[in-house]
Amino acid sequence: QAVVTQEPSLTVSPGGTVTLTCGSSTGPVTNSHSPYWFQQKPGLAPRTLIYGTINKHSWTPARFSGSLLGGKAALTLSGAQPEDEADYYCLLSFTGDWVFGGGTKLTV
Amino acid sequence: QVQLLQSGAEVVKPGASVTVSCKASGYTFSDNYLHWVRQAPGQGLEWMGWINPKSGATNSAQKFQDWVSMTRDTSISTAYLELDKPTSDDTAVYFCARIQYDVLSGHYTMDVWGQGTPVTVSS
Repeated sequence: QAVVTQEPSLTVSPGGTVTLTCGSSTGPVTNSHSPYWFQQKPGLAPRTLIYGTINKHSWTPARFSGSLLGGKAALTLSGAQPEDEADYYCLLSFTGDWVFGGGTKLTV
Repeated sequence: QVQLLQSGAEVVKPGASVTVSCKASGYTFSDNYLHWVRQAPGQGLEWMGWINPKSGATNSAQKFQDWVSMTRDTSISTAYLELDKPTSDDTAVYFCARIQYDVLSGHYTMDVWGQGTPVTVSS
C-alpha cells in the first residue's frame, strides 16, 4: 500500500501564509489521485475543504486553496486566522483504494 | 437537510463482534456511495472502504478485507459496518461519509460526515 506523507506540524502567524503538502511513496501526486484536504478540530468529525485537487465547498473559506506543487498536493492558507488552528489531512486515490496522510497539526 | 446519524458508543469484549450503523436522511440513500473511516485515539484518519448502497458492492482496504463487513438496508436508509472479533488495536472512532458527485467540477467529494461512533475493545 502506498504511504502518503505530510508535515507533522507547522506554525503560522496570524495573517500569515503557510503551505501544507501531501506526497506519495509511489511517485509524483497528480490530478488522477483526486487529492482531498480535510480539516479536523478536537472532538469533531473531519470537514472537507478541498476535493479534486482545487475544488472548494461552499463552506470552504476563500483563504484556503488547493494545488499541485513540486510533485505533491498542496493546501495553501493565506491570511491565517486563529480559528484555522486544527489538524489537516490529505487523502489520495490509488486506483479505487484511498490512503490518508498522517496529518499536519497547524498552530496559528 | 442531508444528515448521517450514527449509532451510539460501543464497548465490546475481545472475541466478540460489533456493528456500527449510519442512517441517512434528507436525500435518496441509494444515490450516493458511503465511505467508512476510522480514527484511533490520538491518531490520524484511516480509510477503511466504501459501499454502493444501490448494489451493495463494496471495496475495502486490504487490511480490513477478512474481518470487516460493509452492508446496507435500503428500506431504512441505513449502512452498517461490522467488525468481526476486533482487538484492542481497533479501539477507535468510526465515521461514515457520503460521496457526492459535483457536476461542475466533474469530481467526487465527501460532503457530509456522520458524527462518529466510538468503539472501545476491552475486557
